Amino acid sequence: DQQVKQNSPSLSVQEGRISILNCDYTNSMFDYFLWYKKYPAEGPTFLISISSIKDKNEDGRFTVFLNKSAKHLSLHIVPSQPGDSAVYFCAASGGANNLFFGTGTRLTVIP
Amino acid sequence: DAGVIQSPRHEVTEMGQEVTLRCKPISGHDYLFWYRQTMMRGLELLIYFNNNVPIDDSGMPEDRFSAKMPNASFSTLKIQPSEPRDSAVYFCASSQREGTEAFFGQGTRLTVV
Repeated sequence: DQQVKQNSPSLSVQEGRISILNCDYTNSMFDYFLWYKKYPAEGPTFLISISSIKDKNEDGRFTVFLNKSAKHLSLHIVPSQPGDSAVYFCAASGGANNLFFGTGTRLTVIP
Repeated sequence: DAGVIQSPRHEVTEMGQEVTLRCKPISGHDYLFWYRQTMMRGLELLIYFNNNVPIDDSGMPEDRFSAKMPNASFSTLKIQPSEPRDSAVYFCASSQREGTEAFFGQGTRLTVV
């Protein structure tokens, strides 16, 4: 059973606009959340994270929002650039060191 | 540091053969993870080690899968015998301490025919 879900397998956005990628989780024990970015033929690379004691974390064009009551987090990319086109994975952990990943969302930024 | 190094990058084998995937973690990282990526389930954790000791292998799908970490700089994931449904991309990752992000290798694309 998937404890971390990314219900949108793909997303297309015009360059310069905002990209919003969503993620839901079921385990209330999760207390650390991460986003990874993956290009073809490469391993996932860490993008941004957020602890459960926060509801927002910002790093340049990337902002992650956490809504604990809804068990939902989102990644905002603004402005979107063609180089942002990749598969984005949401991940969560709670206490133990292993990460639970979603199935990924393929973002395409159209020039 | 060169990052997490996996070999081979691609492996094509016949059903029933033994397959060994290799991983060199980042020096100084105490945690090593093996993940499998499939379209249906995304990235699944198979097993992870802390200081060379297997901590959680509940994600290993069957007894055909085994993993070892004989020292801090090397780990193997072995499938014996391999089956077509094992075809996937297998990633190795390492992290420095508990609760921090993991760094991934480039993966091994396994095809079992």
